[in-house]
Amino acid sequence: GAVVSQHPSRVICKSGTSVKIECRSLDFQATTMFWYRQFPKQSLMLMATSNEGSKATYEQGVEKDKFLINHASLTLSTLTVTSAHPEDSSFYICSANSHVAGRDEQYFGPGTRLTVT
Amino acid sequence: AQKITQTQPGMFVQEKEAVTLDCTYDTSDQSYGLFWYKQPSSGEMIFLIYQGSYDEQNATEGRYSLNFQKARKSANLVISASQLGDSAMYFCAMRDFGNEKLTFGTGTRLTIIP
Repeated sequence: GAVVSQHPSRVICKSGTSVKIECRSLDFQATTMFWYRQFPKQSLMLMATSNEGSKATYEQGVEKDKFLINHASLTLSTLTVTSAHPEDSSFYICSANSHVAGRDEQYFGPGTRLTVT
Repeated sequence: AQKITQTQPGMFVQEKEAVTLDCTYDTSDQSYGLFWYKQPSSGEMIFLIYQGSYDEQNATEGRYSLNFQKARKSANLVISASQLGDSAMYFCAMRDFGNEKLTFGTGTRLTIIP
């Protein structure tokens, strides 16, 4: 089956620093990847849609200069949280689209837990 | 705009019993897909089952079945013979076919009691 990995699984950083999260599709190519944020006891909220070779599309209310997304290849998208603050502490999950049995399926990565101190 | 509503924030069910998790949706689109995901405490999102808006039969995947009532815009998940490992958060999600984005409900925390 389609596998999506994320690295790192957990990261702790100091306020004001930047942190990069990688999302990889391991056994398929994904022209589109998605980045979600999930606060404790809440649902997944889509942050942005990452398209290979073009600029990401951000959801309303998501600061594109703070959450930099780069989809440099068909198997890798990165999310960089710049100048992180404690309120950015959250669970970040990526997903990648794969065309399976005539329909598009989203496969999720295991998530990255970010703690900003 | 699409909206998914899950009205049960938490449920407790005895092991081996069946459980129904409610999901209603709102969309003006004619073509859409409905998904259920399981999220255990580890955080990973596990795909359970899919129902297309034009599918005439209710989807089934092992112990999971989807009670799809299109006129009522509901897509309830039924888990038969519940197991302790079924304890997790469950999210209903929707996607219209013109758009790859998924819209998630607020989730239901299911706890299976031995």
